[in-house]
Amino acid sequence: EDKVVQSPLSLVVHEGDTVTLNCSYEVTNFRSLLWYKQEKKAPTFLFMLTSSGIEKKSGRLSSILDKKELFSILNITATQTGDSAVYLCAIESGSARQLTFGSGTQLTVLP
Amino acid sequence: EPEVTQTPSHQVTQMGQEVILRCVPISNHLYFYWYRQILGQKVEFLVSFYNNEISEKSEIFDDQFSVERPDGSNFTLKIRSTKLEDSAMYFCASKRTINSPLHFGNGTRLTVT
Repeated sequence: EDKVVQSPLSLVVHEGDTVTLNCSYEVTNFRSLLWYKQEKKAPTFLFMLTSSGIEKKSGRLSSILDKKELFSILNITATQTGDSAVYLCAIESGSARQLTFGSGTQLTVLP
Repeated sequence: EPEVTQTPSHQVTQMGQEVILRCVPISNHLYFYWYRQILGQKVEFLVSFYNNEISEKSEIFDDQFSVERPDGSNFTLKIRSTKLEDSAMYFCASKRTINSPLHFGNGTRLTVT
């Protein structure tokens, strides 16, 4: 059974801090790893990673995948209160490319 | 930016009743999915749909569930006889190609009383 473990479960930081969120996985038919931001409702797509060692970057957010060690990290620099959300890691696998989600990391950024 | 649209945003129903959750995927997308999230738990895969048929379903998606794409724009999830444990947020999602990232709608919160 595919498994995705995220850590920490929650994190409280102050504006301006840098955070690193972790995601490790076990999967039988890996296709890609995705990061989503979930505020109140819909998970919003952040990154899709398929190859090891290639950093994806979008503004203050970046992410990298290590397929040998089976983990990924999501970095957020210079955090803002608007970054407060649950960050979800998901593994895409199988022929239908269904996603298996982790429990998420609840990030709270204090002013 | 185009988005996945779900209606209603909240539905309350009595145990044993049938419900239909509606979704309009992004217009040029070809792959459609339903996920659910019980309060405080992980997002879970229910079913995937491509080329007018189910391509994969999870153990959760038993005989009381069905999906349909009745026309070129709508994608529906029907629960035939709701149970208390069906109470959850149901997310519709779509993607343009098999290799594209999945985009989610805002969800329908289903409450079964």
